[in-house]
Amino acid sequence: QLVESGGGLVQPGGSLRLSCAASGFAFNTYEMHWVRQAPGEGLEWVSFISNSGSTIYYADSVKGRFTISRDNARNSVYLQMNSLRAEDTAVYYCARQGGYYKSGVDNWGQGTLVTVSS
Amino acid sequence: DIQMTQSPSSLSASVGDRVTLTCRASQDISTFLAWFQQKPGKPPKSLIYRASNLQSGVPSRFSGSGSGTDFTLTISSLQPEDFATYYCLQCNTYPLTFGGGTTVEI
Repeated sequence: QLVESGGGLVQPGGSLRLSCAASGFAFNTYEMHWVRQAPGEGLEWVSFISNSGSTIYYADSVKGRFTISRDNARNSVYLQMNSLRAEDTAVYYCARQGGYYKSGVDNWGQGTLVTVSS
Repeated sequence: DIQMTQSPSSLSASVGDRVTLTCRASQDISTFLAWFQQKPGKPPKSLIYRASNLQSGVPSRFSGSGSGTDFTLTISSLQPEDFATYYCLQCNTYPLTFGGGTTVEI
């Protein structure tokens, strides 16, 4: 199970930190993603972190503003979002990478809504 | 970045119909493609990984095929619960990229 938290309303230029608590599986053996979906739009991949945290990737749209991290002792993954823009408004999903090489996401959280507006 | 194009963007079908959705990559991604189903107000559900492998618990009426740049998701006999939006995702190269989605409507 993946449970996101930390979403809410924030002004443009502000910051927010999303958290995702994992349970029911060996979190420290799985790679994780953040994926977002703007209202009425499709899915957009945001960021990836390897199981050790040593490998990280970002979408160009968030590079330099968002930071992904994880705490395997707390079974959690995080997304620190700075310099937020209106176009960052979306439901943010925490997602687990499947166990096979390049198999994509196999499990999704329920999502947390981030609204960037003045 | 690899661009993923899904077609059609929407289609109308009836219960019992055989439905085929298409996803095309802008470059060769081998078989590193996944399919997802999403219903309004819900998170996506993972259906298929590596182009043709069903995720655990997914009904056998769903099947996937393809390699290289052209992929298909087939629903052999459409059920009422299958009316949803379907997305493909290329998993070969970062940044990962989703297709724009295909909405299956009644």
